[in-house]
Amino acid sequence: AQTVTQSQPEMSVQEAETVTLSCTYDTSESDYYLFWYKQPPSRQMILVIRQEAYKQQNATENRFSVNFQKAAKSFSLKISDSQLGDAAMYFCAYRSLNNNDMRFGAGTRLTVKP
Amino acid sequence: DVKVTQSSRYLVKRTGEKVFLECVQDMDHENMFWYRQDPGLGLRLIYFSYDVKMKEKGDIPEGYSVSREKKERFSLILESASTNQTSMYLCASSLVDARTGLTEAFFGQGTRLTVV
Repeated sequence: AQTVTQSQPEMSVQEAETVTLSCTYDTSESDYYLFWYKQPPSRQMILVIRQEAYKQQNATENRFSVNFQKAAKSFSLKISDSQLGDAAMYFCAYRSLNNNDMRFGAGTRLTVKP
Repeated sequence: DVKVTQSSRYLVKRTGEKVFLECVQDMDHENMFWYRQDPGLGLRLIYFSYDVKMKEKGDIPEGYSVSREKKERFSLILESASTNQTSMYLCASSLVDARTGLTEAFFGQGTRLTVV
Protein backbone atom coordinates (compact mmCIF):
# COMPACT_ATOMS: atom_id res chain seq x y z
CA ALA A 1 0.00 0.00 0.00
CA GLN A 2 1.05 3.54 -0.58
CA THR A 3 2.45 5.51 2.34
CA VAL A 4 2.33 9.23 3.01
CA THR A 5 4.86 10.94 5.26
CA GLN A 6 4.58 14.34 6.87
CA SER A 7 7.83 14.95 8.71
CA GLN A 8 6.76 18.12 10.54
CA PRO A 9 4.41 17.40 13.45
CA GLU A 10 4.12 21.11 14.22
CA MET A 11 4.83 24.34 12.39
CA SER A 12 4.44 27.95 13.35
CA VAL A 13 4.16 31.07 11.21
CA GLN A 14 3.72 34.76 11.85
CA GLU A 15 0.55 36.30 10.53
CA ALA A 16 1.01 37.62 6.94
CA GLU A 17 4.14 35.52 6.45
CA THR A 18 4.60 32.44 4.24
CA VAL A 19 4.94 28.86 5.45
CA THR A 20 5.62 25.59 3.64
CA LEU A 21 4.37 22.22 4.85
CA SER A 22 6.18 19.12 3.61
CA CYS A 23 4.79 15.85 2.33
CA THR A 24 6.41 12.87 0.67
CA TYR A 25 4.80 9.68 -0.52
CA ASP A 26 5.76 6.27 -1.73
CA THR A 27 4.08 4.66 -4.72
CA SER A 28 4.79 2.55 -7.77
CA GLU A 29 1.81 3.96 -9.64
CA SER A 30 2.19 6.52 -12.40
CA ASP A 31 -1.21 8.13 -12.15
CA TYR A 32 -2.83 9.25 -8.93
CA TYR A 33 -4.19 12.27 -7.09
CA LEU A 34 -2.73 14.21 -4.21
CA PHE A 35 -4.60 16.42 -1.77
CA TRP A 36 -4.09 18.73 1.13
CA TYR A 37 -6.88 18.81 3.70
CA LYS A 38 -7.33 21.19 6.58
CA GLN A 39 -8.94 20.18 9.87
CA PRO A 40 -9.80 23.13 12.13
CA PRO A 41 -10.87 22.67 15.76
CA SER A 42 -14.42 22.04 14.55
CA ARG A 43 -13.04 18.69 13.27
CA GLN A 44 -14.61 19.13 9.84
CA MET A 45 -12.12 18.12 7.18
CA ILE A 46 -11.95 20.68 4.39
CA LEU A 47 -10.25 20.22 1.04
CA VAL A 48 -7.58 22.87 0.50
CA ILE A 49 -6.09 21.89 -2.83
CA ARG A 50 -5.76 18.92 -5.21
CA GLN A 51 -3.16 17.89 -7.77
CA GLU A 52 -3.46 15.34 -10.55
CA ALA A 53 -0.19 13.46 -11.02
CA TYR A 54 -0.37 13.65 -14.82
CA LYS A 55 -0.37 17.46 -14.67
CA GLN A 56 3.06 19.04 -14.49
CA GLN A 57 1.69 22.43 -13.57
CA ASN A 58 1.50 23.05 -9.84
CA ALA A 59 -2.01 23.62 -8.51
CA THR A 60 -2.87 26.95 -6.92
CA GLU A 61 -5.92 28.05 -5.00
CA ASN A 62 -5.79 31.68 -3.89
CA ARG A 63 -3.17 31.88 -1.12
CA PHE A 64 -2.47 28.15 -1.28
CA SER A 65 -0.12 26.56 -3.78
CA VAL A 66 1.76 23.31 -4.09
CA ASN A 67 5.21 22.32 -5.22
CA PHE A 68 4.69 18.94 -6.86
CA GLN A 69 7.89 17.06 -7.66
CA LYS A 70 6.78 13.77 -9.17
CA ALA A 71 10.22 12.20 -9.54
CA ALA A 72 11.06 13.02 -5.95
CA LYS A 73 7.54 12.00 -4.78
CA SER A 74 7.21 15.26 -2.97
CA PHE A 75 4.11 17.41 -2.55
CA SER A 76 4.56 20.46 -0.35
CA LEU A 77 1.94 23.08 0.49
CA LYS A 78 2.80 26.76 0.56
CA ILE A 79 0.50 29.15 2.41
CA SER A 80 1.10 32.79 1.56
CA ASP A 81 -0.03 35.78 3.60
CA SER A 82 -0.96 33.51 6.51
CA GLN A 83 -4.12 34.36 8.39
CA LEU A 84 -5.26 33.46 11.88
CA GLY A 85 -7.97 31.30 10.34
CA ASP A 86 -5.33 29.12 8.71
CA ALA A 87 -4.47 27.63 12.08
CA ALA A 88 -5.42 23.95 11.89
CA MET A 89 -4.16 20.43 11.35
CA TYR A 90 -3.11 19.89 7.76
CA PHE A 91 -3.15 16.46 6.21
CA CYS A 92 -1.56 15.35 2.99
CA ALA A 93 -3.42 12.57 1.18
CA TYR A 94 -2.79 10.18 -1.71
CA ARG A 95 -5.60 8.78 -3.85
CA SER A 96 -4.97 5.68 -5.93
CA LEU A 97 -6.76 5.34 -9.23
CA ASN A 98 -6.25 1.59 -9.26
CA ASN A 99 -8.19 0.68 -6.19
CA ASN A 100 -9.76 3.99 -5.18
CA ASP A 101 -8.46 3.95 -1.65
CA MET A 102 -7.12 7.08 -0.03
CA ARG A 103 -4.22 7.32 2.42
CA PHE A 104 -3.27 10.15 4.72
CA GLY A 105 -0.16 11.38 6.44
CA ALA A 106 0.16 11.90 10.18
CA GLY A 107 -0.64 15.59 9.90
CA THR A 108 1.07 18.90 10.66
CA ARG A 109 -0.37 21.22 13.27
CA LEU A 110 -0.01 24.81 12.06
CA THR A 111 -0.06 27.67 14.53
CA VAL A 112 -0.43 31.24 13.30
CA LYS A 113 0.95 33.92 15.58
CA PRO A 114 -0.63 37.37 15.53
CA ASP B 1 -23.45 20.52 -1.18
CA VAL B 2 -22.38 17.02 -0.39
CA LYS B 3 -23.41 15.99 3.03
CA VAL B 4 -21.86 13.17 5.00
CA THR B 5 -23.59 12.56 8.29
CA GLN B 6 -22.30 10.48 11.15
CA SER B 7 -24.94 9.35 13.59
CA SER B 8 -23.18 10.46 16.77
CA ARG B 9 -20.66 13.14 17.59
CA TYR B 10 -19.73 11.65 20.95
CA LEU B 11 -20.20 8.10 22.18
CA VAL B 12 -19.27 6.30 25.38
CA LYS B 13 -19.41 2.50 25.45
CA ARG B 14 -18.33 -0.24 27.81
CA THR B 15 -15.66 -2.82 27.11
CA GLY B 16 -17.13 -5.83 25.37
CA GLU B 17 -20.13 -4.02 23.93
CA LYS B 18 -20.99 -4.28 20.26
CA VAL B 19 -20.83 -0.79 18.78
CA PHE B 20 -22.35 0.50 15.56
CA LEU B 21 -21.14 3.70 13.95
CA GLU B 22 -23.38 4.85 11.14
CA CYS B 23 -22.54 7.04 8.18
CA VAL B 24 -24.90 8.34 5.52
CA GLN B 25 -24.09 10.35 2.39
CA ASP B 26 -26.55 12.07 0.12
CA MET B 27 -24.64 12.38 -3.16
CA ASP B 28 -24.88 8.89 -4.61
CA HIS B 29 -21.13 8.33 -4.18
CA GLU B 30 -19.78 4.88 -4.93
CA ASN B 31 -16.86 5.02 -2.53
CA MET B 32 -17.10 5.25 1.21
CA PHE B 33 -14.38 5.06 3.84
CA TRP B 34 -13.88 4.63 7.56
CA TYR B 35 -10.79 6.08 9.21
CA ARG B 36 -9.66 6.39 12.76
CA GLN B 37 -7.70 9.44 13.77
CA ASP B 38 -5.19 9.35 16.61
CA PRO B 39 -2.65 12.01 17.62
CA GLY B 40 0.64 11.56 15.84
CA LEU B 41 -0.73 8.83 13.60
CA GLY B 42 -3.00 10.84 11.33
CA LEU B 43 -5.90 9.12 9.64
CA ARG B 44 -5.56 5.40 9.29
CA LEU B 45 -7.83 3.53 6.91
CA ILE B 46 -9.92 0.83 8.55
CA TYR B 47 -12.13 -0.26 5.67
CA PHE B 48 -13.45 1.15 2.46
CA SER B 49 -16.24 0.19 0.12
CA TYR B 50 -16.42 0.86 -3.60
CA ASP B 51 -19.96 -0.39 -4.11
CA VAL B 52 -22.94 -1.89 -2.32
CA LYS B 53 -21.96 -5.08 -0.49
CA MET B 54 -18.34 -4.62 -1.54
CA LYS B 55 -15.61 -3.91 0.98
CA GLU B 56 -11.86 -3.82 1.18
CA LYS B 57 -9.65 -3.95 4.24
CA GLY B 58 -7.53 -0.94 4.97
CA ASP B 59 -4.45 -0.79 7.15
CA ILE B 60 -6.05 -1.60 10.51
CA PRO B 61 -9.15 -3.78 10.05
CA GLU B 62 -8.59 -5.97 13.11
CA GLY B 63 -11.43 -5.72 15.60
CA TYR B 64 -13.72 -4.01 13.08
CA SER B 65 -16.19 -5.04 10.45
CA VAL B 66 -18.34 -3.04 8.05
CA SER B 67 -21.66 -3.26 6.31
CA ARG B 68 -22.86 -1.61 3.13
CA GLU B 69 -26.34 -2.83 2.30
CA LYS B 70 -27.39 0.43 0.63
CA LYS B 71 -25.33 2.81 -1.43
CA GLU B 72 -25.84 5.76 0.87
CA ARG B 73 -25.02 4.03 4.15
CA PHE B 74 -21.76 2.58 5.42
CA SER B 75 -21.66 1.17 8.93
CA LEU B 76 -18.60 0.45 11.05
CA ILE B 77 -19.02 -2.28 13.66
CA LEU B 78 -16.87 -2.92 16.66
CA GLU B 79 -17.70 -6.51 17.48
CA SER B 80 -16.45 -6.33 21.07
CA ALA B 81 -15.25 -2.86 21.99
CA SER B 82 -11.92 -2.55 23.74
CA THR B 83 -10.22 0.42 25.39
CA ASN B 84 -7.63 0.60 22.62
CA GLN B 85 -10.43 1.43 20.21
CA THR B 86 -11.00 4.74 21.98
CA SER B 87 -10.45 7.18 19.15
CA MET B 88 -11.95 9.64 16.69
CA TYR B 89 -13.69 7.91 13.81
CA LEU B 90 -14.15 9.68 10.51
CA CYS B 91 -16.38 8.59 7.66
CA ALA B 92 -15.87 9.86 4.12
CA SER B 93 -17.40 9.40 0.71
CA SER B 94 -16.29 10.16 -2.83
CA LEU B 95 -16.63 9.32 -6.44
CA VAL B 96 -13.84 9.32 -8.98
CA ASP B 97 -14.77 11.38 -11.97
CA ALA B 98 -11.73 12.25 -14.05
CA ARG B 99 -13.88 14.25 -16.41
CA THR B 100 -14.99 16.73 -13.81
CA GLY B 101 -11.96 16.33 -11.59
CA LEU B 102 -14.25 15.50 -8.71
CA THR B 103 -11.99 13.12 -6.90
CA GLU B 104 -11.72 14.33 -3.37
CA ALA B 105 -13.30 12.74 -0.34
CA PHE B 106 -16.00 14.50 1.66
CA PHE B 107 -15.98 13.92 5.37
CA GLY B 108 -18.45 13.68 8.19
CA GLN B 109 -17.79 15.56 11.41
CA GLY B 110 -16.40 12.57 13.20
CA THR B 111 -17.47 10.44 16.14
CA ARG B 112 -15.35 10.59 19.25
CA LEU B 113 -15.70 7.15 20.79
CA THR B 114 -14.61 6.42 24.32
CA VAL B 115 -14.53 2.83 25.52
CA VAL B 116 -14.47 2.46 29.29
